[in-house]
Amino acid sequence: EAAVTQSPRSKVAVTGGKVTLSCHQTNNHDYMYWYRQDTGHGLRLIHYSYVADSTEKGDIPDGYKASRPSQENFSLILELASLSQTAVYFCASSDTNSGNTLYFGEGSRLIVV
Amino acid sequence: TQTVSQSDAHVTVFEGDSVELRCNYSYGGSIYLSWYIQHHGHGLQFLLKYYSGNPVVQGVNGFEAEFSKSDSSFHLRKASVHWSDSAVYFCAVSPGSWQLIFGSGTQLTVMP
Repeated sequence: EAAVTQSPRSKVAVTGGKVTLSCHQTNNHDYMYWYRQDTGHGLRLIHYSYVADSTEKGDIPDGYKASRPSQENFSLILELASLSQTAVYFCASSDTNSGNTLYFGEGSRLIVV
Repeated sequence: TQTVSQSDAHVTVFEGDSVELRCNYSYGGSIYLSWYIQHHGHGLQFLLKYYSGNPVVQGVNGFEAEFSKSDSSFHLRKASVHWSDSAVYFCAVSPGSWQLIFGSGTQLTVMP
């Protein structure tokens, strides 16, 4: 069974609209992450969290907010979606005992029109 | 600043061939090095990692990687590839904390 699940798996949003991507993990991990993948590129870290009710900025946080209401759930929020935010978004989890091994969800494809 | 370089964007081989996917990094301290695989339309899956000890580490499905401090490299190898190995492979570096820095990926295509 998938331990990191993302929803929606695909979404079309209008420019200026609000988008929320959700992530749920059953690994009992303390760390959760949101990465962005653009075609032909690697992954870039947007936000991460190491404990519930706390989030931290990653390498490209501008235009994104994050929310960690519980250990299992981590959301990525685009308040005003822009064309440049069209990408595939991946959620991942890890714990301090796993030696930096990340467990990824299947991804959420976002198209902003 | 840590960087990860995967010099080959695309590698094409035939089924049964051996393959080596290259990864070079720049970092001065102790680091974790790992490889992940991404099949089309899916998330990344962990293959293997190295931190210390034997520089050759074994992963799943016959993959192995060798760490070289002198070359600042962590190349991934497989002796005999299968069509199902076609995927994008990402090398990642972690400086001992929680964060991973990913390379740009290498698309491996295995021809029948």
